Amino acid sequence: EIVLTQSPGTLSLSPGERATLSCRASQSVSSTYLAWYQQKPGQAPRLLIYGALDRATGIPDRFSGSGFGTDFTLTISRLEPEDFAVYFCQHYKTFGQGTMVEVK
Amino acid sequence: QVQLQESGPGLVKPSETLSLTCTVSGGSLISYYWSWIRQPPGKGLEWIGYIYYSGTTDYNPSLKSRVTISKDTSNNQFSLRLTSVTAADTALYYCARTYNARHMDVWGKGTTVTVSS
Repeated sequence: EIVLTQSPGTLSLSPGERATLSCRASQSVSSTYLAWYQQKPGQAPRLLIYGALDRATGIPDRFSGSGFGTDFTLTISRLEPEDFAVYFCQHYKTFGQGTMVEVK
Repeated sequence: QVQLQESGPGLVKPSETLSLTCTVSGGSLISYYWSWIRQPPGKGLEWIGYIYYSGTTDYNPSLKSRVTISKDTSNNQFSLRLTSVTAADTALYYCARTYNARHMDVWGKGTTVTVSS
């Protein structure tokens, strides 16, 4: 069973800063099945990135995904106020535990 | 655009069966996988299982003995049945459209289910 470990657990940043979120798999996985989601309080998750690096429809280009094998990254180039949320990575049937991006 | 809406009882007694339905509007079940995911209060996401439009299913091994996902193509719905529930099954339950069994691109708003006597 693949385990996805996200780090850090919480990221404290200011608007305009760059956010780098990590998702590490317990064994090498296919990038095709690697996705990232954003979840705000009281809302369902929203697909941001699929196939490790493709942005979903309507997702701003400040969001980017990268990585392969066991190490994947979600980068938010310049944080906007609406980007403060929890982010989950997912591979096939497994989700990471999430990273909260909070206002510093 | 495609929208999903979960429905079902918000309160289920321990040892009884949880039953939820997801209604798909603005599209059909054809050519997609349809998933159930849950989120216990204050915790992360757990994949429960999915059904393909052909009827093929796959379930989380940790829940497999208690879960059934079915579909009603004529009514554009798919359903979740979870038997012998305990307090550990208390969660926000989401249905989602799943592309090629990979990522979930459309989500319902979720419905809260509490297991309590």
